[in-house]
Amino acid sequence: AQSVAQPEDQVNVAEGNPLTVKCTYSVSGNPYLFWYVQYPNRGLQFLLKYITGDNLVKGSYGFEAEFNKSQTSFHLKKPSALVSDSALYFCAVRDKSNYQLIWGAGTKLIIKP
Amino acid sequence: DSGVTQTPKHLITATGQRVTLRCSPRSGDLSVYWYQQSLDQGLQFLIQYYNGEERAKGNILERFSAQQFPDLHSELNLSSLELGDSALYFCASSERLAGRDTQYFGPGTRLTVL
Repeated sequence: AQSVAQPEDQVNVAEGNPLTVKCTYSVSGNPYLFWYVQYPNRGLQFLLKYITGDNLVKGSYGFEAEFNKSQTSFHLKKPSALVSDSALYFCAVRDKSNYQLIWGAGTKLIIKP
Repeated sequence: DSGVTQTPKHLITATGQRVTLRCSPRSGDLSVYWYQQSLDQGLQFLIQYYNGEERAKGNILERFSAQQFPDLHSELNLSSLELGDSALYFCASSERLAGRDTQYFGPGTRLTVL
């Protein structure tokens, strides 16, 4: 069965430090992978996606994600965290049988000043 | 701003009632998706429409129904409401059906059932 996992419910990072939000997936064939961010009382905002090509994908707000096929991971990263990055982050993988997104449970990112 | 609009922003109603949530997709997008987000169950896919036709169903209750109109806006109808239906309901849209298409989300409707 196709699935995506975000192993950490919450990640705490000091402002200015690098951050990583983890995502692993299980899908047959080549995956289509997505990251979204949800700020409090807001809808989900698209950050970036991996479809094919370069394993390092750059997205909005200085975020990037690295696709690692051997480890079936797609971790979200940022070199220097901002307090304003504090939000809920969702990883998703496309189910190729029906084109629906399979969502992770979300990771709450807290950036402390 | 994603370009997806949803109305109303907030809705408070009583158990047993029926409500309608409305979504207008981004200009040019043919696909509309409905999601439910509750505290204990995360983001749940409900249903998808493409160019007026139902394309995929997720965890949608029989009390819930949706449709997409010729102008591509969509409505989600929730009936015989229960306390457990209180949640954020999101609409998203994408250009086509292609797997690589990005879904863009609206701001959501917060439904409170008392």
